[in-house]
Amino acid sequence: KAGVTQTPRYLIKTRGQQVTLSCSPISGHRSVSWYQQTPGQGLQFLFEYFSETQRNKGNFPGRFSGRQFSNSRSEMNVSTLELGDSALYLCASSLLREGADTQYFGPGTRLTVL
Amino acid sequence: AQSVTQLDSQVPVFEEAPVELRCNYSSSVSVYLFWYVQYPNQGLQLLLKYLSGSTLVKGINGFEAEFNKSQTSFHLRKPSVHISDTAEYFCAVILPSGGYQKVTFGIGTKLQVIP
Repeated sequence: KAGVTQTPRYLIKTRGQQVTLSCSPISGHRSVSWYQQTPGQGLQFLFEYFSETQRNKGNFPGRFSGRQFSNSRSEMNVSTLELGDSALYLCASSLLREGADTQYFGPGTRLTVL
Repeated sequence: AQSVTQLDSQVPVFEEAPVELRCNYSSSVSVYLFWYVQYPNQGLQLLLKYLSGSTLVKGINGFEAEFNKSQTSFHLRKPSVHISDTAEYFCAVILPSGGYQKVTFGIGTKLQVIP
């Protein structure tokens, strides 16, 4: 089975722009979660989608949004980029949406905001 | 709310030596515990997880961890490390009823294996 794929792998944007990141989960997985990883804050949960519905959301401003399509692929969007949004954005998929279920992570998209 | 503390930000160890990466958590209720590894320029990979049952959990790549409820710890161990174990290791906790929005990761421990 192919793993979780994320595109693009690297992005450079300037302040004020917006960006869309894409995640394709493992075939058959219905839950997709997004995380932001920074050296200072570590890994922080952004949101989780299951069957095209956002089930859970972390403590991030409304500039961060996402969606999931019927094939379980997910996108996240960040509008009005700030320097502090520079981070590695990780997507993870799981078969179900229970905490005990193993999450499989993609390689991440490294976003640099100049 | 639960929290996770990884006491060591960096751990240097010689090849073939044993290693222990420490993880302590705080929670007023039972939690699920995980260890992940992140190699450079890659995402996280699950090493092992504790849900219930035996307190000694064996994972991939020769790693194991022991859940100690009284000390609220979940330390990761390997009896003999290899160069390929050089990576960053994350401990995480999640409430069984909380879903992924309740996952809390530690800040990470960088393991550097010295030849």
